[in-house]
Amino acid sequence: KNQVEQSPQSLIILEGKNCTLQCNYTVSPFSNLRWYKQDTGRGPVSLTIMTFSENTKSNGRYTATLDADTKQSSLHITASQLSDSASYICVVSAKQTGANNLFFGTGTRLTVIP
Amino acid sequence: DSGVTQTPKHLITATGQRVTLRCSPRSGDLSVYWYQQSLDQGLQFLIQYYNGEERAKGNILERFSAQQFPDLHSELNLSSLELGDSALYFCASSRWTGSNTEAFFGQGTRLTVV
Repeated sequence: KNQVEQSPQSLIILEGKNCTLQCNYTVSPFSNLRWYKQDTGRGPVSLTIMTFSENTKSNGRYTATLDADTKQSSLHITASQLSDSASYICVVSAKQTGANNLFFGTGTRLTVIP
Repeated sequence: DSGVTQTPKHLITATGQRVTLRCSPRSGDLSVYWYQQSLDQGLQFLIQYYNGEERAKGNILERFSAQQFPDLHSELNLSSLELGDSALYFCASSRWTGSNTEAFFGQGTRLTVV
């Protein structure tokens, strides 16, 4: 069964600290994995995309990793800022002839406090 | 702007009532996904349509139904509403673009049942 699981469900950290969010998936055949950021009251927006051949990709203070063998991804946030407070959603795309199928995690709610 | 339009943005209704949420996908996107998001449950997949046909079903209640029309817009119907149905309802659309496939989210409809 194609599934995407994220952990933790929620996280509270102090401003300036680092944190790591996890995403485990069982989606097959794998096409790509995206991390989305969802600010409060807004729709999620793509942060970064990982394809099968990529291990690490950075977008400013955000660094995503992908281990295709263990089917795990992580999103590391460095030197957190108050504006990082948001939900982070992991979405995995499966290759499906004639249609794409996307599988969504339930998200991690991050709160950065001063 | 993601190109996905959801209406209305806010909806307040009484228990027992029925409402219809509308989603217009990005031009050319054949897939539409509906999600329910609440504070305690995170993002919960409801249902997916592809080119007018139901493709996948998640934890959608029997009181809820959806459809995708020939012009590809989709509607989510919620009936016999309960207080617990209060949540943010998102739709996302996508199309197969190979390893770059991406979901684009609308801004959501916030439903409050009183």
